[in-house]
Amino acid sequence: AQSVSQHNHHVILSEAASLELGCNYSYGGTVNLFWYVQYPGQHLQLLLKYFSGDPLVKGIKGFEAEFIKSKFSFNLRKPSVQWSDTAEYFCAVTRLYSGAGSYQLTFGKGTKLSVIP
Amino acid sequence: NAGVTQTPKFRVLKTGQSMTLLCAQDMNHEYMYWYRQDPGMGLRLIHYSVGEGTTAKGEVPDGYNVSRLKKQNFLLGLESAAPSQTSVYFCASSHRDRSYEQYFGPGTRLTVT
Repeated sequence: AQSVSQHNHHVILSEAASLELGCNYSYGGTVNLFWYVQYPGQHLQLLLKYFSGDPLVKGIKGFEAEFIKSKFSFNLRKPSVQWSDTAEYFCAVTRLYSGAGSYQLTFGKGTKLSVIP
Repeated sequence: NAGVTQTPKFRVLKTGQSMTLLCAQDMNHEYMYWYRQDPGMGLRLIHYSVGEGTTAKGEVPDGYNVSRLKKQNFLLGLESAAPSQTSVYFCASSHRDRSYEQYFGPGTRLTVT
């Protein structure tokens, strides 16, 4: 079974600091990779996604993520965080194939990001 | 479009009581899902449906039942609630051809005492 690991449970940064959140997955085949964000009191929203092609993908609000196949990683980055980025971030993976499991997202446990003004 | 809506938003149950959570989507999505979110556990899939009249078990199905009588609705039932079912429940839906892109509802916070 595929699994997703997020290295940090809680990250605290000051505004303007750079952010990198780690994500590793266990499945060795072709995968789709996602980062979701959950702002306080809100539901999950898709931040960015990777299917194929350029391993550096850009999402909303200045976020980007890099897919490194050899490391089974999909780390999320932002050069300069803002207080409004305070949220919980979830990495997720699904396998790219037609079949019973293709529509099941497997989520990591999440990383809480607190940005201090 | 309202997207994905869930009712109720909050509920408190006593152990042994039953209830049904309703999820509705107006995007004509074929697939629908129920997840639970617990602190430090991320989201875990309870049940899912690939179409009207069809449901299947996810990662943590025990203690829950579901029904998909209409394409736009996906019901999650707790027959006999237990404190371990205290959680935030999220419904999601996706298009059949883009099943990896799921749209989430606002969640239902359930407390079982």
